[in-house]
Amino acid sequence: DIVMTQSPDSLAVSLGERATINCKSSQSVFYSSNNKNYLAWYQQKPGQPPKLLIYWASTRESGVPDRFSGSGSGTDFTLTISSLQAEDVAVYYCQQYYGSPYTFGQGTKLEIK
Amino acid sequence: QVQLQESGPGLVKPSETLSLSCTVSGGSISTYYWSWIRQPPGKGLEWIGYIYGTGGTTYNPSLISRVTISVDTSKNQFSLNLTSVTAADTAVYYCARHRTSESFYFDYWGQGTLVTVSS
Repeated sequence: DIVMTQSPDSLAVSLGERATINCKSSQSVFYSSNNKNYLAWYQQKPGQPPKLLIYWASTRESGVPDRFSGSGSGTDFTLTISSLQAEDVAVYYCQQYYGSPYTFGQGTKLEIK
Repeated sequence: QVQLQESGPGLVKPSETLSLSCTVSGGSISTYYWSWIRQPPGKGLEWIGYIYGTGGTTYNPSLISRVTISVDTSKNQFSLNLTSVTAADTAVYYCARHRTSESFYFDYWGQGTLVTVSS
């Protein structure tokens, strides 16, 4: 199985400041034949299902605010929120879909400082 | 707008079988891949397995001996059976859709249903 490890486990950021969440995979999730990284990011608020934010490591899902961005390649990835808003308080998960079983990071809890 | 809704018992006894259904509305079930994912209370997400609309399946090896996922295209519904449950199977169970056949991230999710395993 590909193990996904996120850091930090929790993060407190001031409103309007940048938030950065990291995700590392135990093996590369880059597929050279199509030049794509098989990595997605989700946001989960309490009592709600996860919401897709980013796929192919850096493609923003339709309707997701442009303050959310994804970067990275191979085994190291980053989700950045450029200017934290109150509604961004949530747990964030990365997920690899390079191969079965599809695995998630343990989650990063983002709070307001 | 695609919508998914899980249904089934909220309480299952140890050693019995957990059975859930997911009804899909707003689109056909036949041409997509559909998964079950679970989340123990306060913990992270675990993918259980998927089924294609015409019936092919793939399961998480950690659960393969206990899991069956099936589809009923006439009802636009797919189902999960998990046998011999223990307290460790207590979780919110989500059904979700994969975007495309090569894009196995999840673009639509149900609201989730909590299943508690207890006598």
